[in-house]
Amino acid sequence: EVHLVESGGGVVRPGGSLRLSCAASGFTFHDHGMSWVRQAPGKGLEWVCGINWNGGVTGYADSVQGRFTISRDNAKNSLYVQMNSLRVEDTALYYCARDHDFRTLPNYWGQGILVTVSS
Amino acid sequence: AIQLTQSPSSLSASVGDRVTITCRASHGITSAIAWYQQKPGKIPKVMIYDVSSLESEVPSRFSGSRSGTDFFTLTISSLQPEDFATYYCHQFNSYPYTFGQGTKLEIK
Repeated sequence: EVHLVESGGGVVRPGGSLRLSCAASGFTFHDHGMSWVRQAPGKGLEWVCGINWNGGVTGYADSVQGRFTISRDNAKNSLYVQMNSLRVEDTALYYCARDHDFRTLPNYWGQGILVTVSS
Repeated sequence: AIQLTQSPSSLSASVGDRVTITCRASHGITSAIAWYQQKPGKIPKVMIYDVSSLESEVPSRFSGSRSGTDFFTLTISSLQPEDFATYYCHQFNSYPYTFGQGTKLEIK
């Protein structure tokens, strides 16, 4: 069974940094692309960033380009996102997600980790 | 980035109704469109991918289609009580991926 567990969330001041981690189990991690998707309280889904199976291809939403960096460690079955220059509008529940078996869209999701950016 | 515009943003319907949700892409894309269902406090669930492919174990009353190059629709042929939720279209054609803003389907 696919299992994704996010960690590293919390409260941070505007301009601060956080690093989220996602521990994966129940599947062959290096076979799949991964993404981070977020959802602000009471709002819709926002795709944040993604990475292919070996880390060679990454992509970012315009809203986080230049501030967030996605990475993975296949030896540790882990996904990360380094979030710098955080803004109040980055406040959200952040989901780690694994690609679908047949397509590069998020299909398996963690339960999410809350990031709150507030002064 | 490819922007997705869903309509309507909310919809009231009754059990047994046929409903259609539309998603318009800002640029022409291939068939890399999916539809998600999300219930309050739950994680999103893929319902349709590749415009019209039904995800495993999703009831056949759900269907997806394309009109022209930029318009995509999700249709629920006969609403069931468990279908009341928020639905999102999603494009995975190219980075950056994007979601539509969502359509909240409520009971009339």
